[in-house]
Amino acid sequence: GQNIDQPTEMTATEGAIVQINCTYQTSGFNGLFWYQQHAGEAPTFLSYNVLDGLEEKGRFSSFLSRSKGYSYLLLKELQMKDSASYLCAVREGVKTIFGAGTRLFVKA
Amino acid sequence: DGGITQSPKYLFRKEGQNVTLSCEQNLNHDAMYWYRQDPGQGLRLIYYSQIVNDFQKGDIAEGYSVSREKKESFPLTVTSAQKNPTAFYLCASSDEGQGRVGYGYTFGSGTRLTVV
Repeated sequence: GQNIDQPTEMTATEGAIVQINCTYQTSGFNGLFWYQQHAGEAPTFLSYNVLDGLEEKGRFSSFLSRSKGYSYLLLKELQMKDSASYLCAVREGVKTIFGAGTRLFVKA
Repeated sequence: DGGITQSPKYLFRKEGQNVTLSCEQNLNHDAMYWYRQDPGQGLRLIYYSQIVNDFQKGDIAEGYSVSREKKESFPLTVTSAQKNPTAFYLCASSDEGQGRVGYGYTFGSGTRLTVV
């Protein structure tokens, strides 16, 4: 079966760095995604990791350790517009399974 | 501009009625998906289709039906057999079947269904 765990909520300050963790258990790992979802809107794709290590894309970075079933999303130089939910998702075969998401609040 | 369109954005229906949610994409993607999102829960997979005229049940298919007669279209019908249909429904597409796994899904803007 599948199980994806991430914190329910986090709060951080504008300009700071925040790390959102995700742990997963899956029967057939085929890649890990991070999505951003603003309230009432559709998720948008942020990053994809299939091999161990860090992928950097501007202010956002994502890390994967397959042996530990662990990933994190790192957001630097936080902006107010980064207040959103961040969804960790694991690809199993041709299906993608989503975690419940971490709601990030950025305060001034 | 290419994209994926869901309509309507808000939908109200009486209990016991079937309702069909529209999903259209012009991205030339082979694969399409329907997810349901409830507060405090992750997106849950209802149905998916990897190619025209073929589709598979996801994790919560009971009470739902789909069709995939055209590449561009993947409508979802919420039947009266669905016990708790009030939710936010998201349609997505991808070209993973064309080897582009690392680009993720493109989602529509969603349909918020309320059954009264």
